[in-house]
Amino acid sequence: SYVVTQPPSVSVAPGKTARFTCGGNNIESKSVHWYQQKPGQAPVPVIYFDTDRPSGIPERFSASNSGNTATLTISRVEAGDEADYYCQVWDTNSDQWVFGGGTKLTVL
Amino acid sequence: QVTLRESGPALVKPTQTLTLTCTFSGFSLTTSGMCVSWIRQPPGKALEWLALIDWGDDKYYNTSLKTRLTISKDTSKKQVVLTMTNVDPVDTATYYCARTQHYNWGFDYWGQGTLVTVSS
Repeated sequence: SYVVTQPPSVSVAPGKTARFTCGGNNIESKSVHWYQQKPGQAPVPVIYFDTDRPSGIPERFSASNSGNTATLTISRVEAGDEADYYCQVWDTNSDQWVFGGGTKLTVL
Repeated sequence: QVTLRESGPALVKPTQTLTLTCTFSGFSLTTSGMCVSWIRQPPGKALEWLALIDWGDDKYYNTSLKTRLTISKDTSKKQVVLTMTNVDPVDTATYYCARTQHYNWGFDYWGQGTLVTVSS
């Protein structure tokens, strides 16, 4: 089945930009969704369909999808952004959802 | 207002069958496109999708767990039930249910999750 790969961790200072990658074979042909999960809480969607922000998600959150890599970007990082971030795709070949392994954001 | 809430045993013994119920409100699982999935997360580990049921009663499973999982729905009770047979300590996890409005749309609403521990 389809595999998506995320780096385990990203560290960034407050006010800087954090980038999270989600790698997969020709992932640009799939719709990628992104979730933020804080400790002890359920995941919250932050990006739908590669680039769309749900209502209530700050404009600091943006994303792209090209080639074999989808990218979530958080600009002007705040301490409250510290969380795990997961990418997700629907694998049409096997008819199943696939999550990446998640990336932990540490705000220095 | 859309809500989902998971319920089930907090502790099950190895080899037993685990039954989890997702009770939802604010939407109908008879609406075209609507789907409910189960997802789990072992402590300190990543999310893992388990199963999906759609408005037409089609069902999809994680291929690596397919032989152990059954998903079903009761639209009148607004519930989706997941059973997992022959549980093992590695199945210890927080189990979530979540809604999508179409197969490849993201999960827009999640339950708060329920922790299931498998131990003798």
